[in-house]
Amino acid sequence: KQEVTQIPAALSVPEGENLVLNCSFTDSAIYNLQWFRQDPGKGLTSLLLIQSSQREQTSGRLNASLDKSSGRSTLYIAASQPGDSATYLCAVPYNDMRFGAGTRLTVKP
Amino acid sequence: NAGVTQTPKFQVLKTGQSMTLQCAQDMNHEYMSWYRQDPGMGLRLIHYSVGAGITDQGEVPNGYNVSRSTTEDFPLRLLSAAPSQTSVYFCASSQAQLAGYTFGSGTRLTVV
Repeated sequence: KQEVTQIPAALSVPEGENLVLNCSFTDSAIYNLQWFRQDPGKGLTSLLLIQSSQREQTSGRLNASLDKSSGRSTLYIAASQPGDSATYLCAVPYNDMRFGAGTRLTVKP
Repeated sequence: NAGVTQTPKFQVLKTGQSMTLQCAQDMNHEYMSWYRQDPGMGLRLIHYSVGAGITDQGEVPNGYNVSRSTTEDFPLRLLSAAPSQTSVYFCASSQAQLAGYTFGSGTRLTVV
């Protein structure tokens, strides 16, 4: 059974800091991995989708890496801003989409 | 770009009432699914559909019905609302079951 874990559960950093969010999965036979952002009271916004054949994807200040063999993905956020404050979830397709519990990020001005 | 549209955004029901949560997508996606999100429980799959006319149960299907008569629409029906169904409901769509997902903005449901 595929299980997805995200560490840490919460993270608070000062503005401008570079940070890394972690995602691990138990079954390495994944098709892809998707990172989402969720603002309080809002839906999930897709940030990055990494196919299993890729090692990383970049979008602006965000960079997601994927290491299938070790069952890990990281989301790197460069030069964090208060507007980055949100919950970040990773997910992998299985019989359905399996989500991590998320990392709640707070960027302090 | 409409993407995935959910209505209503908020709803309060009395125990025993029925209602339908609407979900529509304009991306010609074959795969659609419904999730509920509860504090401490994460996102849990209720029902999903791999195409028009085909639906199946997810992790927590009890108390909910779905149908998929068109590619665009995937309504979720609560047959007899219970307080345990108080949650935020999200609809998602994808080109295929293993492709990236697009989510709607959610419906916040309270059952009193």
